[in-house]
Amino acid sequence: SAVISQKPSRDICQRGTSLTIQCQVDSQVTMMFWYRQQPGQSLTLIATANQGSEATYESGFVIDKFPISRPNLTFSTLTVSNMSPEDSSIYLCSVKGHLNTEAFFGQGTRLTVV
Amino acid sequence: KQEVTQIPAALSVPEGENLVLNCSFTDSAIYNLQWFRQDPGKGLTSLLLIQSSQREQTSGRLNASLDKSSGRSTLYIAASQPGDSATYLCAVPFSGGYNKLIFGAGTRLAVHP
Repeated sequence: SAVISQKPSRDICQRGTSLTIQCQVDSQVTMMFWYRQQPGQSLTLIATANQGSEATYESGFVIDKFPISRPNLTFSTLTVSNMSPEDSSIYLCSVKGHLNTEAFFGQGTRLTVV
Repeated sequence: KQEVTQIPAALSVPEGENLVLNCSFTDSAIYNLQWFRQDPGKGLTSLLLIQSSQREQTSGRLNASLDKSSGRSTLYIAASQPGDSATYLCAVPFSGGYNKLIFGAGTRLAVHP
């Protein structure tokens, strides 16, 4: 199994500012993903972080709002830009190996925008 | 388009009961199904991964079954304990893929002493 470290674990931010969330994995992984969990809701996929190239975003999510970097096979960042209270959520990093392997998640970043 | 439904949404039981949590999905052409546990405000812990060729997976007091043809999976928890209190989520890959996951809304379980 992979050990995933996410930072920060929580933050309270002012509207209009940006926050960058880091995801560090203890081993090289093929696939890295970012999910959002709004209060009382289940998880929704934001994007697939691609190593060395632009992330692949799901419908409803755009690069200007959620820029993602993945410089290598063990690290990725998600930035939540120009935040509003509607961005208050838990953001989770997930990793996966090839094909039918298990998905693992970080402990999440609980973001509150005031 | 794949959709995942979990029933019940919430469950409160006394300690020691055997429990069944249900997960259904609309597109039966899945490669696998995964069950997770989430404690309040925390990330997800993987419990069991069932491949499409399997019918059951067991880990300790947990047993998950998969019936692809009917689009259903169940998570059986034996002899429940207060420490089992959490939200349980099932997830399947997006239709036609095996990497990106789509989640059910979860079953919120409370086991009281």
